[in-house]
Amino acid sequence: QQQVKQSPQSLIVQKGGISIINCAYENTAFDYFPWYQQFPGKGPALLIAIRPDVSEKKEGRFTISFNKSAKQFSLHIMDSQPGDSATYFCAASSGTYKYIFGTGTRLKVLA
Amino acid sequence: DGGITQSPKYLFRKEGQNVTLSCEQNLNHDAMYWYRQDPGQGLRLIYYSQIVNDFQKGDIAEGYSVSREKKESFPLTVTSAQKNPTAFYLCASSVGSTTLAEQFFGPGTRLTVL
Repeated sequence: QQQVKQSPQSLIVQKGGISIINCAYENTAFDYFPWYQQFPGKGPALLIAIRPDVSEKKEGRFTISFNKSAKQFSLHIMDSQPGDSATYFCAASSGTYKYIFGTGTRLKVLA
Repeated sequence: DGGITQSPKYLFRKEGQNVTLSCEQNLNHDAMYWYRQDPGQGLRLIYYSQIVNDFQKGDIAEGYSVSREKKESFPLTVTSAQKNPTAFYLCASSVGSTTLAEQFFGPGTRLTVL
């Protein structure tokens, strides 16, 4: 019940396309869902986060869509650029320090 | 510049040896964390510290030890008891230990056991 399932494992998108990464969870106590971006050899950095009281949050080209009833949330990257090529992790937390991370999606945006 | 530094960037260890990974932050954060990252897996929590001189085990603490003698420093020792220590180790910190306290990550240390 503590798992966060992330898909796909890898994703290749043409420049200008939309990248979509999905995560699903079981624990209904989760109340915070961040997305992290990690470049090779670097630590992850917070990209965008959402709480379950909203269904969508947008920051620039990055949007989180949240479906509370389905217990799913997704990251959409609009107008994907080669500089977006990185590994993306979703995570979930239930009011404490402890984050449960997904297994990561390696995104490659072709120029 | 405020941030988290980890050293060394790469570390090689012979089997049976203990090794200590350094983590320092100048963000004045109270909470600090150690994660392990393996290929194809998410980050897994090793140890966590909310305040100086206090720390708790995470999900995979066996074979690891930590200390928190100073607010800025949270070193991780990988002992010979850790069966499969080759991995990428990430240190993180946050202002507090609640959900809304964003965790900031260091650049990581890649440990290889020869």
